[in-house]
Amino acid sequence: KAGVTQTPRYLIKTRGQQVTLSCSPISGHRSVSWYQQTPGQGLQFLFEYFSETQRNKGNFPGRFSGRQFSNSRSEMNVSTLELGDSALYLCASSPGVGGSEQYFGPGTRLTVT
Amino acid sequence: AQSVTQPDIHITVSEGASLELRCNYSYGATPYLFWYVQSPGQGLQLLLKYFSGDTLVQGIKGFEAEFKRSQSSFNLRKPSVHWSDAAEYFCAVGAWSGGGADGLTFGKGTHLIIQP
Repeated sequence: KAGVTQTPRYLIKTRGQQVTLSCSPISGHRSVSWYQQTPGQGLQFLFEYFSETQRNKGNFPGRFSGRQFSNSRSEMNVSTLELGDSALYLCASSPGVGGSEQYFGPGTRLTVT
Repeated sequence: AQSVTQPDIHITVSEGASLELRCNYSYGATPYLFWYVQSPGQGLQLLLKYFSGDTLVQGIKGFEAEFKRSQSSFNLRKPSVHWSDAAEYFCAVGAWSGGGADGLTFGKGTHLIIQP
């Protein structure tokens, strides 16, 4: 079974721009979560989607948003990029919701200049 | 809200020696507990998980972990490390509240260095 895939793997954007990251979960998994990883803050939960509904959201500003499609694929969007948004963005899929085991993709490395 | 503490930022172990990585959690009920490993530039790989039942759980790559409710701990162990075990290790807790899911909360990670 194919794992979680994320595109693109690397991205360079300019401050003020917006960006969309994509995630395809493991086949059959209906839950997709997004995390931001930085050296200073570590791994932080962004949001979780299950059956196209946002189930939970972490403590991030409204510039961070996401959605999930009927095929469980998910996208996250960051508008008005700031230098501090430079991070590795990880997507994880799960057969269940929230606290159940999650399987991570390789991540998208976003650099904001 | 739940939290996870990994007291050791760096640990250096000789190849072939035993390993124990510490993890303490804070959560009001019985949590779901996980250990993940991350190699440089990679995503996270699930090593093992604890949901309920036997408090000693076996994972991949020869790792095991023991859940101790009285100590709020979930320490990761391996009897003999290999150079390929050098990586960042994350402990995580998953929890429910109010009937909804809270996602995973991660510790800051422990960087494992293997000496030849």
